[in-house]
Amino acid sequence: EAGVVQSPRYKIIEKKQPVAFWCNPISGHNTLYWYRQNLGQGPELLIRYENEEAVDDSQLPKDRFSAERLKGVDSTLKIQPAELGDSAVYLCASSLSLAEQYFGPGTRLTVT
Amino acid sequence: GDSVTQMEGPVTLSEEAFLTINCTYTATGYPSLFWYVQYPGEGLQLLLKATKADDKGSNKGFEATYRKETTSFHLEKGSVQVSDSAVYFCALRRGNNNDMRFGAGTRLTVKP
Repeated sequence: EAGVVQSPRYKIIEKKQPVAFWCNPISGHNTLYWYRQNLGQGPELLIRYENEEAVDDSQLPKDRFSAERLKGVDSTLKIQPAELGDSAVYLCASSLSLAEQYFGPGTRLTVT
Repeated sequence: GDSVTQMEGPVTLSEEAFLTINCTYTATGYPSLFWYVQYPGEGLQLLLKATKADDKGSNKGFEATYRKETTSFHLEKGSVQVSDSAVYFCALRRGNNNDMRFGAGTRLTVKP
């Protein structure tokens, strides 16, 4: 069974540019999470979806970050415009309802 | 708010040495506790968990006991191998919405 798939794995952009990350969860998992992991820190939740509904986006910086999960399967996280402080690893995870979360390998973003 | 504090790394051990990585938590109520492992270039993988006081989680020779009186969940392994080299994250799950809080991670390097 395929795990959580994320792309791209690495992205380098200049500040003020837009960037998007894509996540395909494990088949059948209705809950999807986006986390940000700063260097030397643990992951921090940005947003959680149950099917296509964002049920917890309290930690998402809504002035520049947006996310969507239109058909309740794969999801896109966007930053526009990116700032230097956005450099981090962006992790996607999925679960079957509130069971164990399975994590993807992450996208490492570097903003120069 | 709820939080997890874990032993700072990096930790370097020789093969077959005994491992302890300390983890303490602050939480209201009775959270579930987890250890995740992150191998280079991969996503976080659940290593073990405990859902109530005095529970012991174990997997692959690792174990941790949920100690309510000391609010701790220390990770131990009697004899580490080179293949155990990774970053280990302690985490708690708050409430019943799968909201995870992670520690900063401890990097373990095992030398032959």
